[in-house]
Amino acid sequence: QKEVEQDPGPLSVPEGAIVSLNCTYSNSAFQYFMWYRQYSRKGPELLMYTYSSGNKEDGRFTAQVDKSSKYISLFIRDSQPSDSATYLCAIWQGGSEKLVFGKGTKLTVNP
Amino acid sequence: GAGVSQSPRYKVAKRGQDVALRCDPISGHVSLFWYQQALGQGPEFLTYFQNEAQLDKSGLPSDRFFAERPEGSVSTLKIQRTQQEDSAVYLCASSLDNSPLHFGNGTRLTVT
Repeated sequence: QKEVEQDPGPLSVPEGAIVSLNCTYSNSAFQYFMWYRQYSRKGPELLMYTYSSGNKEDGRFTAQVDKSSKYISLFIRDSQPSDSATYLCAIWQGGSEKLVFGKGTKLTVNP
Repeated sequence: GAGVSQSPRYKVAKRGQDVALRCDPISGHVSLFWYQQALGQGPEFLTYFQNEAQLDKSGLPSDRFFAERPEGSVSTLKIQRTQQEDSAVYLCASSLDNSPLHFGNGTRLTVT
């Protein structure tokens, strides 16, 4: 079992839809939870970062963490064509430990 | 510079050739990581430096892979005797201590 599981999609939605992206993880020691966005032929770009259970909102984006279920989500409201990218969840123990990524979900928002 | 810079952006190597990939981290960032991203996959950890010290190289797939950061800033990832399975995007990331990683745009290596 991989440390982080993420449905690779692809996911295709119409403009304006609400998008839900999810990951599960297996290691209870993980403390920090991130979502990265990766456009084609670019490096991953940090989108959201949280270390506690609950919700964190930033504009149209909401990150949700449920440590008891080892489940993290990213919601995108009023999705735009410019949101079309691959979304990677990433989990970190902290300190010098490596960041562990999911496979990524490829999202296409159709105008 | 403003971000993590990697060069070259693209590299084509014949099987058996040696390659060297360069990473310029964000100025002042202590930590530097190398990741390998195969097509359709998430990045996989290769190795980690804190300043010039290589603290974790557990992700390097074989002894053909070698990384260095001699002065605690620029880093080089070297792959000797490249094989087709080495074809991937190699990502470098840097961070201040105990903070999220900032990635470069990667070097896309194709081994023919």
